[in-house]
Amino acid sequence: KNQVEQSPQSLIILEGKNCTLQCNYTVSPFSNLRWYKQDTGRGPVSLTIMTFSENTKSNRRYTATLDADTKQSSLHITASQLSDSASYICVVSPLRATDSWGKFQFGAGTQVVVTP
Amino acid sequence: EAQVTQNPRYLITVTGKKLTVTCSQNMNHEYMSWYRQDPGLGLRQIYYSMNVEVTDKGDVPEGYKVSRKEKRNFPLILESPSPNQTSLYFCASSQNTEAFFGQGTRLTVV
Repeated sequence: KNQVEQSPQSLIILEGKNCTLQCNYTVSPFSNLRWYKQDTGRGPVSLTIMTFSENTKSNRRYTATLDADTKQSSLHITASQLSDSASYICVVSPLRATDSWGKFQFGAGTQVVVTP
Repeated sequence: EAQVTQNPRYLITVTGKKLTVTCSQNMNHEYMSWYRQDPGLGLRQIYYSMNVEVTDKGDVPEGYKVSRKEKRNFPLILESPSPNQTSLYFCASSQNTEAFFGQGTRLTVV
């Protein structure tokens, strides 16, 4: 069973509107949680990264939140633009000093389509 | 500029013909990894390496090999490709908390 579940699987929003993506995880203990943006056919690019002690992080129009107690994270996109059309991937790193990098857990992603 | 470079970007090959996808990073990162991405499944790790001559299996290593003879390069080798290895492949490198991905290699095995 995947340890990182994202919802919705896809969504369509109008340009200028806001939207929120969800990420639930069971990885425990965990080191950090990241959100990546992946344009079609391209490699993922990091948007935000949060440690277990942080509960919010912003990057321009992207704001990520983290509730380590409920093991939930969200990514909020404000005033969406056409260029926001992409897949957004939640990635959780387990807290293992020796090989935490090697054991990243990826969500399947949320496909966002912004229409004019 | 920090970069992870994969080659080739696109490849069509026949079943059983050995191929290598190269990956190079210019950030002196210790950690490198290979993933495949299939529709609806997200990124799945094939192999990773924590340093030169140190590699380990990820979640889906069957049918793949890797090597890490030097820090900057981490090639992915398919000794006998099969159609179920048709996929989009990504190489990534990381140091501390940040990870950088290559642009991807779209492989089709017919």
